[in-house]
Amino acid sequence: AQTVTQSQPEMSVQEAETVTLSCTYDTSESDYYLFWYKQPPSRQMILVIRQEAYKQQNATENRFSVNFQKAAKSFSLKISDSQLGDAAMYFCAYRTNRDDKIIFGKGTRLHILP
Amino acid sequence: DARVTQTPRHKVTEMGQEVTMRCQPILGHNTVFWYRQTMMQGLELLAYFRNRAPLDDSGMPKDRFSAEMPDATLATLKIQPSEPRDSAVYFCASGTYYEQYFGPGTRLTVT
Repeated sequence: AQTVTQSQPEMSVQEAETVTLSCTYDTSESDYYLFWYKQPPSRQMILVIRQEAYKQQNATENRFSVNFQKAAKSFSLKISDSQLGDAAMYFCAYRTNRDDKIIFGKGTRLHILP
Repeated sequence: DARVTQTPRHKVTEMGQEVTMRCQPILGHNTVFWYRQTMMQGLELLAYFRNRAPLDDSGMPKDRFSAEMPDATLATLKIQPSEPRDSAVYFCASGTYYEQYFGPGTRLTVT
């Protein structure tokens, strides 16, 4: 069965610094998608970034980038120049190519220190 | 800016009452999902539909929960009778092949 593990329940970073959130997953599939979702205090789940497993190039969205290591089944999220608005719960998620269902990790709560 | 809408945003009800939550997916999305989020269990998938057909409701307590899509613009999640352990935030999401987009959630409190 596929699983997604986020080993850091909480993290803190100073404003303007860089922080990396870790995620590992377990799958026997070769074709799949990986996601990072952000859930701020408003509760709204917001898609931050998506990575297709067949792409070697790491996805980037403005200050957000990923380090996708397929062999290691690792998918970390790097946030550069952290801002107060980045404070949220971050969920790593996985979906196979054969199914619509997304499997979510337990989340990492990120605090931004002014 | 297309988005998923959910009503009501908050619901407080007494144990034993029926609760109906509604979701309007993004036009053109062919998959709709219902999730429940609690502190203890995190985000759980309750049920999902593709092209309005139910594909998987294995995450849902069958004796009290039901999910339907009467048309392409409306998905409903019903709890009857409600229990205090059903207190949670319920999210609807709609999706394309690549991504899911979430609604703002319904915070349900059952007393």
